[in-house]
Amino acid sequence: IVLTQSPGTLSLSPGERATLSCRTSQSLARNFLAWFQQKPGQAPRLLIYDASSRATGIPDRFSGSGSGTDFTLTISRLEPEDFAVYFCQQYDSTPNMFGQGTRLEIK
Amino acid sequence: QVQLVQSGVEVKKPGASVKVSCKASGYTFINSGMGWVRQAPGQGLEWMGWISAYNGDTNYAQKFQGRVTMTTDTSTSTAYMELRRLTSDDTAIYYCARKLKNSPYDKWGQGTLVTVSS
Repeated sequence: IVLTQSPGTLSLSPGERATLSCRTSQSLARNFLAWFQQKPGQAPRLLIYDASSRATGIPDRFSGSGSGTDFTLTISRLEPEDFAVYFCQQYDSTPNMFGQGTRLEIK
Repeated sequence: QVQLVQSGVEVKKPGASVKVSCKASGYTFINSGMGWVRQAPGQGLEWMGWISAYNGDTNYAQKFQGRVTMTTDTSTSTAYMELRRLTSDDTAIYYCARKLKNSPYDKWGQGTLVTVSS
């Protein structure tokens, strides 16, 4: 299953809403789709799992939606610490591929 | 709390092998699996494979078949990833990440930098 993220880079200002997309080449039967945030020099951090469930300790400004082949990560009001790279990953079947990432940068 | 602590920086010559360790604590190791993911400099995340700590079952990405071996030692709650016949393309940070059944990769190690250079 190939995962395609868009856009490659998203330029926004703090306080704005961010919408990131992840499309899979095959439908995820169980919607086992996760979103990760990665900052420079750090390991990825799990934000969203099962397409729409927030991981422990993740602020409620992060939300996930979608099913089948189309998934979205939304950050309702960007905080300065949210500017990072975001990856989606499917764990519905092996290999558990990742998308190529979306870089969220400050405008 | 759940922690995954990986071994330190490695520098290897082309053709050599590397073995990275990942020591788990804070949860029941044998009830979980461990995935390995790598990230080349400035690149995205690449899934290498997964091993069950319960029975040692493995699932490797086709790209690494025949060149990677993942193992676990349940007596020390440690997972290992060995990669053989290294080339410069294997220069990357290697991460271990916990995976429970029907769950995502929820906890990650700090990463191990492996540099392959003559």
